[in-house]
Amino acid sequence: NAGVTQTPEFQVLKTGQSMTLQCAQDMNHEYMSWYRQDPGMGLRLIHYSVGAGITDQGEVPNGYNVSRSTTEDFPLRLLSAAPSQTSVYFCASSPDRDRGLRGYTFGSGTRLTVV
Amino acid sequence: LAKTTQPISMDSYEGQEVNITCSHNNIATNDYITWYQQFPSQGPRFIIQGYKTKVTNEVASLFIPADRKSSTLSLPRVSLSDTAVYYCLVGPNTGKLIFGQGTTLQVKP
Repeated sequence: NAGVTQTPEFQVLKTGQSMTLQCAQDMNHEYMSWYRQDPGMGLRLIHYSVGAGITDQGEVPNGYNVSRSTTEDFPLRLLSAAPSQTSVYFCASSPDRDRGLRGYTFGSGTRLTVV
Repeated sequence: LAKTTQPISMDSYEGQEVNITCSHNNIATNDYITWYQQFPSQGPRFIIQGYKTKVTNEVASLFIPADRKSSTLSLPRVSLSDTAVYYCLVGPNTGKLIFGQGTTLQVKP
């Protein structure tokens, strides 16, 4: 049982390049979400999904796209990378049946640098 | 999701008890109070959740007064390994978490 797996762990992009950050979970969780964390800051929600085929915007969605074709996978696409997108990206999943917010499992993060 | 307010930072020494208070004045009836812990270079992890009164587990205690407008996370006898950022979150589970800046706890020897 691997939990939430994020790839790659590290990535350097040039301004204007596009890429996809991968996130997969093997816990059959309905809810999945993406966050970015800048140095010294809390996590900010980018996009989230409450099930396959359903996605919605979070606090900072601009410059990012998501899709959810399967329960297991929730990739995050950077359309045209900018230095302001340099950050650590975390993916999380949660069962939909939990009361409260206790059920979130986070991946180990992708450290992205845009030069 | 109810907005939360907590201290930006706290310092403590090994062996002391640490109490971190979170204010959530607009908490709704179906909201739970949940705390996450984040170590450097890692994703957050759940530590404790409560609805009312007191909850205790092997890691921490959570005290919630009757009006539920605040809560206090209590860490008994902290060690250097408790140095982390602690986040207070309030709400039902709608598929997303909205984090504040959290409380950075620095434990000194």
